[in-house]
Amino acid sequence: DFRMTQSPSTLSASVGDRVTITCRASQSISRWLAWYQQKPGKAPKLLIYEASTLESGVPSRFSGSGSGTDFTLSISSLQPDDIATYYCQQYASYSPYTFGQGTKLEIK
Amino acid sequence: EVQLVQSGAEVKKPGESLTISCKGSGYSFTSYWISWVRQMPGKGLEWMGRIDPSDSYINYSPSFQGHVSISVDTSISTAYLQWSSLEASDTAMYYCARMIVTMTEDSYYYYHMNVWGKGTPVTVSS
Repeated sequence: DFRMTQSPSTLSASVGDRVTITCRASQSISRWLAWYQQKPGKAPKLLIYEASTLESGVPSRFSGSGSGTDFTLSISSLQPDDIATYYCQQYASYSPYTFGQGTKLEIK
Repeated sequence: EVQLVQSGAEVKKPGESLTISCKGSGYSFTSYWISWVRQMPGKGLEWMGRIDPSDSYINYSPSFQGHVSISVDTSISTAYLQWSSLEASDTAMYYCARMIVTMTEDSYYYYHMNVWGKGTPVTVSS
């Protein structure tokens, strides 16, 4: 399995801050990484795919970067609506597809 | 609008069988794989398996192989997740998701989940 490790597990930041979440794969996944946002009681929502491609309709303050084993999700200016848990997921291999453990983002 | 509409909440006893559903609309159902994802209470996301509705080809996660079954009925654009004998540890929220493919220059295919259903909560308790 491709193990995905996110850090930090919890992140507290202020409105307007730049926020960065890291995801590391146990082996190279090239660019085959997606980021999802999950708000409490809601289904996950796709934010970014292919490591850096913004899904249609997602605010431009979200961005992704990385390739190989190291990836980041950034929010350029944190908004109250961004409070959620964020998951990375590799799709280089379906045996099986794997998610990171999640990063819970809180407002300070 | 592309939508996946999932069936409602279920409360079952251990040992009972269960089938939950996921109905696609607003797109060609047979053109996109469907995945199922589990989220246990307070926990993260786990991919369970995927099905190609065009031919019912299925990949299961090793963690779920043999414990659940995935199927489709293309006549009603619906995918299913089925248990023959539930356990208390099956208590979770279950999501279906549509998968979209990227084909590379060297003809490899990579699928990510771009549309999600709202989830079906399943509670298994004696």
